Amino acid sequence: GQQLNQSPQSMFIQEGEDVSMNCTSSSIFNTWLWYKQDPGEGPVLLIALYKAGELTSNGRLTAQFGITRKDSFLNISASIPSDVGIYFCAGRNSGGGADGLTFGKGTHLIIQP
Amino acid sequence: SAVISQKPSRDICQRGTSLTIQCQVDSQVTMMFWYRQQPGQSLTLIATANQGSEATYESGFVIDKFPISRPNLTFSTLTVSNMSPEDSSIYLCSAAQNTGELFFGEGSRLTVL
Repeated sequence: GQQLNQSPQSMFIQEGEDVSMNCTSSSIFNTWLWYKQDPGEGPVLLIALYKAGELTSNGRLTAQFGITRKDSFLNISASIPSDVGIYFCAGRNSGGGADGLTFGKGTHLIIQP
Repeated sequence: SAVISQKPSRDICQRGTSLTIQCQVDSQVTMMFWYRQQPGQSLTLIATANQGSEATYESGFVIDKFPISRPNLTFSTLTVSNMSPEDSSIYLCSAAQNTGELFFGEGSRLTVL
């Protein structure tokens, strides 16, 4: 099956720092989605990307759909304590499962005050 | 976006019993799915819940173990049958609208003793 490599697996940063994480794939995707999951909650959609090269922002979050269609990154600027959580990337292409979504293994963000 | 409600939010079950999880969406959606998230892991698609017909299961998941119903566009149930400790997991309902964005419920955390 398809695989998404998400990195880093975890990040320990100071409050106020910028954060960057990315996902790469051996397959081409036509959609990239980024989610955040808090403990005991379901994943919440942060940003959806539909076109190669697309750069989209949502507040302090910025995500880009790589021009090769095989990667995406998510940046968080000026991190705050509520940014703590697990971030998942997900990609969709026509060759995927019923919904075509493949999930990365997540990036666990930990912020030290 | 769609608001997805799941219940129960958590339960502790005895080995050999079955539990049904309910999922209600606040608006009509095109597709509904059930995912499993094992402790510390990413999300794995169990099946697509098809309205008025049998669900479409992913490799490794079967109807006898995970029967699914979707009687209308906004409601679905997942039953985890004849549970064993290996079924301890978070089960997540999700729904997709025409935009292709996928939204999640808060999850049902099952512990099987």
